[in-house]
Amino acid sequence: EVQLVDSGGGLVQPGGSLRLSCAASGFTISGHNMNWVRQAPGKGLEWVSYINTDSTIIKYADSVKGRFTVSRDNAKNSLFLQMNGLRVEDTAVYYCAADPAPWGQGTLVTVSS
Amino acid sequence: QAVVTQEPSLTVSPGGTVTLTCGSTTGAVTSGHYPYWFQQKPGQAPRAIIYNTSNKYSWTPARFSGSLLGGKAALTLSGAQPEDEADYYCLLYYSGVRAFGGGTKLTVL
Repeated sequence: EVQLVDSGGGLVQPGGSLRLSCAASGFTISGHNMNWVRQAPGKGLEWVSYINTDSTIIKYADSVKGRFTVSRDNAKNSLFLQMNGLRVEDTAVYYCAADPAPWGQGTLVTVSS
Repeated sequence: QAVVTQEPSLTVSPGGTVTLTCGSTTGAVTSGHYPYWFQQKPGQAPRAIIYNTSNKYSWTPARFSGSLLGGKAALTLSGAQPEDEADYYCLLYYSGVRAFGGGTKLTVL
């Protein structure tokens, strides 16, 4: 089955860090540009980050620039999101997403004291 | 960053036709924005149903179609079914950076 599995979410205090992972199965991500997308509780979708197939083009939303770092390991068929300096407003379900598909099921990040 | 605009809510009768649109504050939406459309039902992850303006996935029902219309991306639902009631989001590409619209809540009533 073609799927992405997100993991690494949890509860963290403001200012803390988390590293999200996204593992692919049933296909190889090396041929896909990848994204992270988030959705705060009860809110719409927000694009977070983009990385192309060979990591030469990386983009971030202004809301996370300088705090989040996206990376990928094509050999391990995985995508990552290092999140530092977390804020309460970063609380959301985070999805990894391949272009044009599939998406992961999401992992919840809660930033609270 | 650019703002992507969508109708906040729309209502369609069962069996009816409705068009959702996706605009950009930077000007006309073109194929170069590679418009995507996503469907999200309560408690579920979003699922892409249209990519690159008008391309369908294997799981996209035939009653959904994507196009460019009047300077916007458009998602047309022809023959609405009760199970099509959901939130719909468009996504536009701006030279690597991407932005979602605020979503359209579609009611089938």
